[in-house]
Amino acid sequence: AQKITQTQPGMFVQEKEAVTLDCTYDTSDPSYGLFWYKQPSSGEMIFLIYQGSYDQQNATEGRYSLNFQKARKSANLVISASQLGDSAMYFCAMRGRWSSNTGKLIFGQGTTLQVKP
Amino acid sequence: NAGVTQTPKFRVLKTGQSMTLLCAQDMNHEYMYWYRQDPGMGLRLIHYSVGEGTTAKGEVPDGYNVSRLKKQNFLLGLESAAPSQTSVYFCASSSLRAEQFFGPGTRLTVL
Repeated sequence: AQKITQTQPGMFVQEKEAVTLDCTYDTSDPSYGLFWYKQPSSGEMIFLIYQGSYDQQNATEGRYSLNFQKARKSANLVISASQLGDSAMYFCAMRGRWSSNTGKLIFGQGTTLQVKP
Repeated sequence: NAGVTQTPKFRVLKTGQSMTLLCAQDMNHEYMYWYRQDPGMGLRLIHYSVGEGTTAKGEVPDGYNVSRLKKQNFLLGLESAAPSQTSVYFCASSSLRAEQFFGPGTRLTVL
């Protein structure tokens, strides 16, 4: 069975510091993709970053990077230099080869991040 | 480009009433999805469509029906609303193997 686990319901970080949000996944597919989305208090879902299972390097998008450890089945999101606007809920999601022709995603439960001034 | 839009944004129903949620996208995406979001449970897939005229069940399809008569629209119907369907509903669209783009959500309360 495919599963995404986010074990941190809530986290705090001081403004300008880096923070890591954990995500572990379970799949038997040899090929899969991992996504991170941000959901601010306004409710919209914002795509942040994508990592393919065969990508040689960890994905980066501005202040976001994905610490991908394939053997440990983890895909942690690292936010550098946190800003107050980073306060939001963050979701990890996976698309496996089993859904490669449908694009379906499985989501984790989410982690709420609060950035302190 | 408006991206993905959802109508309505809020709705209150009484148990047993019916309603239709409309999702529209202007990105020419083949794939469209309906999710529900409940506290502590992330997003769960209700139904999805891989193209005009096609629909399929997701993880939690019971109590919902969908239709995709036009490529740009994906409708979610509740025939007889129940309090357990109180949730926030998100529509999303994508091209294959790309990220999904989400609508702003519909907050539904069933009394």
